[in-house]
Amino acid sequence: DTGVSQNPRHKITKRGQNVTFRCDPISEHNRLYWYRQTLGQGPEFLTYFQNEAQLEKSRLLSDRFSAERPKGSFSTLEIQRTEQGDSAMYLCASGGGRAYEQYFGPGTRLTVT
Amino acid sequence: AQRVTQPEKLLSVFKGAPVELKCNYSYSGSPELFWYVQYSRQRLQLLLRHISRESIKGFTADLNKGETSFHLKKPFAQEEDSAMYYCALSGGGFQKLVFGTGTRLLVSP
Repeated sequence: DTGVSQNPRHKITKRGQNVTFRCDPISEHNRLYWYRQTLGQGPEFLTYFQNEAQLEKSRLLSDRFSAERPKGSFSTLEIQRTEQGDSAMYLCASGGGRAYEQYFGPGTRLTVT
Repeated sequence: AQRVTQPEKLLSVFKGAPVELKCNYSYSGSPELFWYVQYSRQRLQLLLRHISRESIKGFTADLNKGETSFHLKKPFAQEEDSAMYYCALSGGGFQKLVFGTGTRLLVSP
């Protein structure tokens, strides 16, 4: 499968624990986006990378959230001191040559108990 | 403020019936509008964008700037059209997508 991949696909954690998700974009895509989707809502933008540079962050991305994209390849999203409100599907998307393109991964479903 | 409104959570039709999924938007500039679809157990994927003015899988959508709408239409629904449909906008270029809450389309035989 040459599409966007995300790991793990599911994560259950206890409140207060830290979690880290990984996104592997389509090879050679220089743009990478993170979105969060809660039940009954559409995806909401979290942050955007062009290569290794984080160019935009949403106000949704509190100081407990941090994202990185070392070397402009895969990206990680870490949530520290998780709260029940963090329970959601975390989606990653990557884009290449065409500005409007965003190819989505399958998502990581986080459940905070 | 950027906002996309999809007023219907669920739209249920019979096979062969016309379908219209409503989308209204709020944006101060000239947005790009998109429809994304998510079939059962599949990832979110682009269905069509207003700039291309294509018909994909029989679906079309026209951007009405006066009414700030981008409704998705298909004259004859098929069972395989059953899915979750999201309307989205971006400010153009590489900008983030702003999604609506989605409409579940259920096409019954």
